[in-house]
Order: sequence, then structure tokens, then C-alpha cells
Amino acid sequence: AQTVTQSQPEMSVQEAETVTLSCTYDTSESNYYLFWYKQPPSRQMILVIRQEAYKQQNATENRFSVNFQKAAKSFSLKISDSQLGDTAMYFCAFRAWYDFNKFYFGSGTKLNVKP
Amino acid sequence: KAGVTQTPRYLIKTRGQQVTLSCSPISGHRSVSWYQQTPGQGLQFLFEYFSETQRNKGNFPGRFSGRQFSNSRSEMNVSTLELGDSALYLCASSLDRGRGNSPLHFGNGTRLTVT
Repeated sequence: AQTVTQSQPEMSVQEAETVTLSCTYDTSESNYYLFWYKQPPSRQMILVIRQEAYKQQNATENRFSVNFQKAAKSFSLKISDSQLGDTAMYFCAFRAWYDFNKFYFGSGTKLNVKP
Repeated sequence: KAGVTQTPRYLIKTRGQQVTLSCSPISGHRSVSWYQQTPGQGLQFLFEYFSETQRNKGNFPGRFSGRQFSNSRSEMNVSTLELGDSALYLCASSLDRGRGNSPLHFGNGTRLTVT
């Protein structure tokens, strides 16, 4: 079974600064996919960024980037130039190559961006 | 393009009753997955439907069931409700059965309260 761990229940950052959210996972699979989702108070889960395990290059999406360390089974999210709209719960998610739409989620990190 | 639509947004039911939740996926999406979100257990996979067939199932009792119609719309049913079933139920759709890094697209969820 796969497990995803987010060890930071809550974090705060000043507007325009950079923050890193941690995520580790446990799996015996070599081929899988990793995601970061954001859940604002509206409750809708929004995809932030995704990474394929077979790609060594770290994914980036505008102000969002990941540090993917496959050997360490670590997948952290870096948010640069934090904005007030980034305030939300952030969930790290894992999907094995064969599990199609069965995602395993971490417990989430609540990010507060302060003005 | 309209997003994933879940109805109703809120539901209050009594222990022992049953409830049906509805989900309309993004147009063209053929896979629908359901997740339960609670403060204690986090986000947990319930099941996935594709082409009107259940393709994957999480570790939930048989009181939780679902179905998918020919237009890809899906319903989830919970019978003999228990207090512990109080949760946010999220529906997610995807174009296909998790091709590569294909993400899930989530709805706003149905907040079920069991009294």
C-alpha cells in the first residue's frame, strides 16, 4: 500500500516571500505520478502541479515548482512570490501507474499568506 | 466548459436513513471517482466508475455504493447512515482512466451531516 505524509499541519508566510511545503511518500513502485492540489475555502480541489516519477527534471508551473527526490521519496512544493490568493489547504497526492484514478492523499498543510 | 457539478451542496440526514449524491463530470470525461474527506481520515478513495462499470474500489463497507449512467453522470448512495459518515464527499472526473499524468478534476463537494 502507498502512503503519503505531510508533516507540516500549518504554515505561514508573508506576501511576496517564498515558502516550501514538504511531502514524503512510501511505495515499492518505480513508476508513479505525484501531484499537488490546493483546496481553498470554496472546497474545490485545484491541481497545482504534477510530476512523473520517470522524469528527473523538476516540474514548474509559473510561481510553483517542485523538488522531486525519487531516492528519498520526497516531493516538496515551493511557492515563490506568495500571494494572498495562495491561502488554502495544500494536499500532496500519489498515484501508482496501474491505479488509474485512485489517488492517495496526504493529510494536508494549511498555508496562510499574510499581508 | 463547465466544471464538475455536484448536487446538492449540503445535506442533513438522520442516522439510519439513506442518501444519494449526484455528480456530473466535465463534458467528454468518462471516468468518475468519489472521495470522502473527513478531518480525522483525510481524503479517502471510495470508488471509480468508467463506462458504467465500477473499476476500482476503496476500503469502505458495502453501505457505500455507486453507479454511472450512459452520459457519464454518476450517483453515490449511502444506506443506513451512521454518524461517522458525516463528511465532505468529493467527485472527480478525468478524460480517461488515468492516462499518464492525467489529473483529477474535482467538484465543490457535497457536505453531508448525519445527526
